Amino acid sequence: EADIYQTPRYLVIGTGKKITLECSQTMGHDKMYWYQQDPGMELHLIHYSYGVNSTEKGDLSSESTVSRIRTEHFPLTLESARPSHTSQYLCASSNPYRDGTDTQYFGPGTRLTVL
Amino acid sequence: KQEVTQIPAALSVPEGENLVLNCSFTDSAIYNLQWFRQDPGKGLTSLLLIQSSQREQTSGRLNASLDKSSGRSTLYIAASQPGDSATYLCAVRRNYGQNFVFGPGTRLSVLP
Repeated sequence: EADIYQTPRYLVIGTGKKITLECSQTMGHDKMYWYQQDPGMELHLIHYSYGVNSTEKGDLSSESTVSRIRTEHFPLTLESARPSHTSQYLCASSNPYRDGTDTQYFGPGTRLTVL
Repeated sequence: KQEVTQIPAALSVPEGENLVLNCSFTDSAIYNLQWFRQDPGKGLTSLLLIQSSQREQTSGRLNASLDKSSGRSTLYIAASQPGDSATYLCAVRRNYGQNFVFGPGTRLSVLP
């Protein structure tokens, strides 16, 4: 079982609030990812990181930002939440440099609702 | 640009049936393909990963095949059970270390 955690699991907030979604993994994985998934729709990659101090934008444009100060931690921040940000956010990690298959392990997700 | 589609979008079957889920991708130049399971409101669980040089992978009642030249993969589930009810997603990766492109998933319901 993968050791990757996300908090909070559910969040309901008002428009304009600043929020940070937490993601931590204890597997020592170098690469981490954030995906956004609307109900019944595909996963879209919004951010990823190759390691400490590395952050890259994914395929889907997002108003969120990320940071990678520690290997195990990859938080996602929305400076001013809007109803259009309502979605499920999934964090994942992998270790392409040690695992030849580069399998991704996913956290349980954070379901965000912005009123 | 790689595009991944999955057919059917939803499937409902009685318990005990064998079933096949389909995944198609437009660019056959892939490094590997992975099948995931997602339970409602939860993250993804890896089921099977097939490298581009492989034709199939098996785990218990699951068998995944890959026909890279035709851009297709199938996930075969034998003797389905209500606990198999979930959304099944396939994802392809072009090169080692690159990011996945996900399909929209097939929502499976196995009725007792």
